[in-house]
Amino acid sequence: KQEVTQIPAALSVPEGENLVLNCSFTDSAIYNLQWFRQDPGKGLTSLLLIQSSQREQTSGRLNASLDKSSGRSTLYIAASQPGDSATYLCAHTGANSKLTFGKGITLSVRP
Amino acid sequence: DTGVSQDPRHKITKRGQNVTFRCDPISEHNRLYWYRQTLGQGPEFLTYFQNEAQLEKSRLLSDRFSAERPKGSFSTLEIQRTEQGDSAMYLCASSSRDNRFGATIYFGEGSWLTVV
Repeated sequence: KQEVTQIPAALSVPEGENLVLNCSFTDSAIYNLQWFRQDPGKGLTSLLLIQSSQREQTSGRLNASLDKSSGRSTLYIAASQPGDSATYLCAHTGANSKLTFGKGITLSVRP
Repeated sequence: DTGVSQDPRHKITKRGQNVTFRCDPISEHNRLYWYRQTLGQGPEFLTYFQNEAQLEKSRLLSDRFSAERPKGSFSTLEIQRTEQGDSAMYLCASSSRDNRFGATIYFGEGSWLTVV
């Protein structure tokens, strides 16, 4: 069974801190890896997508990297803000086009 | 582009009843996906359509579950003889092309099901 692991399950940081969220996966044949944001009781919003041939993607204060050989991805959030508080999920796309998700990391940014 | 729309947003039903959820994808998106998410877990794949063709079904989708996309536009997910274990959020998503090749996938707000 292909798995996606996100540790820790929850993280609390003071406002302004730079932080890194980690994701590891066992499937070596992924097409891409995506990071999503989910607010409580809501759907998912795609933040960044990294194709398997790429190493990183950036959008604003977010930077995601992918090391396919080691089965790891990181999401870097610069200068965190209270509005960044949410659950962040990583997911990869396999040969059958379906997304396999981790359980997510619930981030709380304290003012 | 009004986003992916799901209806109803919340449904409480008694065990044994049938429920149906509807999803309206972003117009002209030919791929439509259903996922299920329980508390504290990531979404799990249920099924997906390319146009009206159902291309894959997860083993999670028991015989009590059926999904349709009759004209390649909106989709319905029906659960027959609901059980308490069916309580979850049912998420619909759509994309304009194969997400293996970088297409952004857009999720709806989800339909919460509580079986009592």
